[in-house]
Amino acid sequence: NAGVMQNPRHLVRRRGQEARLRCSPMKGHSHVYWYRQLPEEGLKFMVYLQKENIIDESGMPKERFSAEFPKEGPSILRIQQVVRGDSAAYFCASSPGQGGDGYTFGSGTRLTVV
Amino acid sequence: KQEVTQIPAALSVPEGENLVLNCSFTDSAIYNLQWFRQDPGKGLTSLLLIQSSQREQTSGRLNASLDKSSGRSTLYIAASQPGDSATYLCAVGRSNNDMRFGAGTRLTVKP
Repeated sequence: NAGVMQNPRHLVRRRGQEARLRCSPMKGHSHVYWYRQLPEEGLKFMVYLQKENIIDESGMPKERFSAEFPKEGPSILRIQQVVRGDSAAYFCASSPGQGGDGYTFGSGTRLTVV
Repeated sequence: KQEVTQIPAALSVPEGENLVLNCSFTDSAIYNLQWFRQDPGKGLTSLLLIQSSQREQTSGRLNASLDKSSGRSTLYIAASQPGDSATYLCAVGRSNNDMRFGAGTRLTVKP
């Protein structure tokens, strides 16, 4: 079991470009969560998805950010027209059910906007 | 709204000491509570998961307790080692979706 796989590990984008972050949950996990960690800060919830459904996106910025978890393939967090303030570590976690068994985290994607 | 606070923000101890990390939360209607470890530049490693019906969990030198009524959890680390140096995060799970994280306690164990 490969665990939660995130790629790329590091991503550098120029201001105005798009960033696409991928997350493959653990085998058998159908719930995916995205978190953002700014330097020297804690993890902030962004969005919770199940297959083909966004369950809770209360932590997502209203503009430029979107997430999906298609029937086939990984979950994608997309950031359009990136700005320097988007530079952060983005972590994905998965769980088999509604969090009762806790989360398993990926190693994260470190986005740097130059 | 659930608020999770971890005290202290940073802690430095000599090797061999026993130590306690604290986590408090404002809404006692939790589903579970999970302690994680994060090394610099790395992801999160799950240490212990306590369901809302449980009072404690143990793994090796680690023991986590949960007191829902007072909104508190503690992580006890026995006989600390330099390899325990990391940031420890407490996360509180709500009934049907996301977990809310504290800002973490940065632990340094000096040889």
